[in-house]
Amino acid sequence: EAQVTQNPRYLITVTGKKLTVTCSQNMNHEYMSWYRQDPGLGLRQIYYSMNVEVTDKGDVPEGYKVSRKEKRNFPLILESPSPNQTSLYFCASSSYGQGGYSPLHFGNGTRLTVT
Amino acid sequence: QQQVKQSPQSLIVQKGGISIINCAYENTAFDYFPWYQQFPGKGPALLIAIRPDVSEKKEGRFTISFNKSAKQFSLHIMDSQPGDSATYFCAASKGDNYGQNFVFGPGTRLSVLP
Repeated sequence: EAQVTQNPRYLITVTGKKLTVTCSQNMNHEYMSWYRQDPGLGLRQIYYSMNVEVTDKGDVPEGYKVSRKEKRNFPLILESPSPNQTSLYFCASSSYGQGGYSPLHFGNGTRLTVT
Repeated sequence: QQQVKQSPQSLIVQKGGISIINCAYENTAFDYFPWYQQFPGKGPALLIAIRPDVSEKKEGRFTISFNKSAKQFSLHIMDSQPGDSATYFCAASKGDNYGQNFVFGPGTRLSVLP
């Protein structure tokens, strides 16, 4: 089944404790991206990657890191989490079959709570 | 300039009724307007999308109406069903931007009563 898999689904941590949220897709998509979803704000892009070893900042990159060492994986790293990073996070991927008009395929989300 | 406004925030419709969600954008460079549907505990999934060269696109019970001069677009769900209960996000982007930096609206929570 074609899918984007995120882990973990739920994560509770304390301020300053480094964490990684993993994302993997099995559709051979070149493009991958991370979003955060907050009430009243919709989804906001954190980082994106157009291919292996190519990453760039989205709209809200502060406090996050990413890496793209393999085409299928795109982990999100919070080196020193803070309470304002408490949110619902989504990983998404896309092919370039329709260029920038290609649909995004989302994972099922990771709910992060930082206390 | 980058904002996409969406209304209403929540919507309650009787089964069989019409659900209408409206969005407005500011950036005239946007040329791709998708709608995403999100069920509880799931990620958003593409529902329907439109480009500004047409004023309307219909897929089954779902229709996007697009008004380029007013910079507005809307989603109409005909014969709404309880299974349509979900959160709906409109979005906008420049299709030639391979960064696919979509600007999403804040979402509308739709409840369809049986």
